[in-house]
Amino acid sequence: ETGVTQSPTHLIKTRGQQVTLRCSSQSGHNTVSWYQQALGQGPQFIFQYYREEENGRGNFPPRFSGLQFPNYSSELNVNALELDDSALYLCASSLTGQGFEQYFGPGTRLTVT
Amino acid sequence: SQQGEEDPQALSIQEGENATMNCSYKTSINNLQWYRQNSGRGLVHLILIRSNEREKHSGRLRVTLDTSKKSSSLLITASRAADTASYFCATVRIQGAQKLVFGQGTRLTINP
Repeated sequence: ETGVTQSPTHLIKTRGQQVTLRCSSQSGHNTVSWYQQALGQGPQFIFQYYREEENGRGNFPPRFSGLQFPNYSSELNVNALELDDSALYLCASSLTGQGFEQYFGPGTRLTVT
Repeated sequence: SQQGEEDPQALSIQEGENATMNCSYKTSINNLQWYRQNSGRGLVHLILIRSNEREKHSGRLRVTLDTSKKSSSLLITASRAADTASYFCATVRIQGAQKLVFGQGTRLTINP
């Protein structure tokens, strides 16, 4: 297992609500990336944080936002939840300059009803 | 959008047989990586092959990369029931944000 942890494991929210997902990076890793994985699909890149700043973003609307803290942990916030936001949200940490090998957490399963 | 496609989408073989999965991608890459995912859990990194490498081995895994055809293959030899999982290839592009671009995966089932 990697040293990346995510909380909570599962979450059920109602359409229109807001959600915050949390991730703790593997020790020594300075970069955190978030991915959304719909059922039966490959993960899709949401955004990446390096030294507390957004360092790249995929094709996701602004209601998906994030933070990285000085200890390199991170949060993913999603506002105005939609049914299509139901997915597995994966956090991955890495060390910049190491070929971008990613260490993934177990994920948070979000269900929007 | 997904970068590439994996083939086949699903593969079922007997324990002890070899499993081969293929991946194609669209743009120039810095490296290509293979990941395994068990039952909707987190992904586990298996192997990374750089764009200037053609073949790489790790235990029972063998990965090839053909940049002229923009394709890669993952071979698992002497398969075990524990190898049952989904396998994804992911690319890191030369330019742009340092991110993994995943294919849709191959669902591998090893029958005892």
